[in-house]
Amino acid sequence: IAGITQAPTSQILAAGRRMTLRCTQDMRHNAMYWYRQDLGLGLRLIHYSNTAGTTGKGEVPDGYSVSRANTDDFPLTLASAVPSQTSVYFCASSEQGSNQPQHFGDGTRLSIL
Amino acid sequence: DQQVKQNSPSLSVQEGRISILNCDYTNSMFDYFLWYKKYPAEGPTFLISISSIKDKNEDGRFTVFLNKSAKHLSLHIVPSQPGDSAVYFCAAYDRGSNYKLTFGKGTLLTVNP
Repeated sequence: IAGITQAPTSQILAAGRRMTLRCTQDMRHNAMYWYRQDLGLGLRLIHYSNTAGTTGKGEVPDGYSVSRANTDDFPLTLASAVPSQTSVYFCASSEQGSNQPQHFGDGTRLSIL
Repeated sequence: DQQVKQNSPSLSVQEGRISILNCDYTNSMFDYFLWYKKYPAEGPTFLISISSIKDKNEDGRFTVFLNKSAKHLSLHIVPSQPGDSAVYFCAAYDRGSNYKLTFGKGTLLTVNP
């Protein structure tokens, strides 16, 4: 079934550790995104990529990095996790071009202790 | 400064009645609006959208209305069903934002049997 796969589903991590959240899509979408969802704050864009080889900063990029080596994969890395990064992380993708609906994975629930 | 506002955190309606979810925005550069539905432990799912050149878009039980002068849109669900119980997010594309989608905080809809 076509869609977006995120891994892991959930993770508990000690503060200061490095963590990479994985995201793979098989829809051949050019654009991909990472969001975090926090209670009372909705979804906020962390980083995005319009096409393989390019990335851009969203609303809340500090403490996170991304790479886009190919069309299908868009990993999100926390170099040194802090408790404020406890959140649910969603990866999304869309066809290139304005006003295309974004399609979301089921999220990674991350707890930083 | 929140550019997409969903002022009702929750809404409860009776099965078979109409559900009306509201959304206000402040950015006059927004030109395309989307509604997403989210069940617990799943990612948001695209529901319906509307371009700023239209004032209504209908898809089955779901209708979105846009009032540009008031910077207001609403999602109508008729008739409401218990399976519609979910969090609904309003989102908007900024034509100057390079594909970045801005989300509201969401409204939890509960449809009671």
